Amino acid sequence: ETGVTQSPTHLIKTRGQQVTLRCSSQSGHNTVSWYQQALGQGPQFIFQYYREEENGRGNFPPRFSGLQFPNYSSELNVNALELDDSALYLCASSWGGYGAGNTEAFFGQGTRLTVV
Amino acid sequence: QQQVKQSPQSLIVQKGGISIINCAYENTAFDYFPWYQQFPGKGPALLIAIRPDVSEKKEGRFTISFNKSAKQFSLHIMDSQPGDSATYFCAAKRSGGYQKVTFGTGTKLQVIP
Repeated sequence: ETGVTQSPTHLIKTRGQQVTLRCSSQSGHNTVSWYQQALGQGPQFIFQYYREEENGRGNFPPRFSGLQFPNYSSELNVNALELDDSALYLCASSWGGYGAGNTEAFFGQGTRLTVV
Repeated sequence: QQQVKQSPQSLIVQKGGISIINCAYENTAFDYFPWYQQFPGKGPALLIAIRPDVSEKKEGRFTISFNKSAKQFSLHIMDSQPGDSATYFCAAKRSGGYQKVTFGTGTKLQVIP
């Protein structure tokens, strides 16, 4: 088991609502990345936070936003939920941020979001 | 754009057999290639990884073969066991940027007794 914990583990929301997912990074890690994994697909990079700032983003609209706190934990916020947002949301923690080379990313168990 | 292509989509192997999963990448800036194992309801867990200056890396029953000129790499699982039944993802990263992992589409492996 990694030291990355996510909450909640499961969530059901209605289309149009907003949701907040939480992640505690592994001890010693200062970088958090979020991924969306649709059923039967590989995880897709949403964005990365380093030193409380977003410093990398994948092909996701602005209604996907995040925060990183001084203790390096993080939140993923999704506004105006759509049915296609139903997925497993994964948080990964690592060390070093932008340009740190290939430090390893450790994934949490994910939050299963269902939008109805 | 699918930057890391993975095949097969699913694989059934007899216990004790060899499981082989293949991947190909397009972006020559990638310089780190991890493989992840994912069980249902769990996040991906790092299995083994290789850098392109090495053609092969072995850890226990798991071996990565890497062909830099062909931009291809593969995972071999020797003596496959029912406990190996999981989804396997190849992936790629590049140093010098942010810590984005680009995943393949996954291979669902089933090892039957």
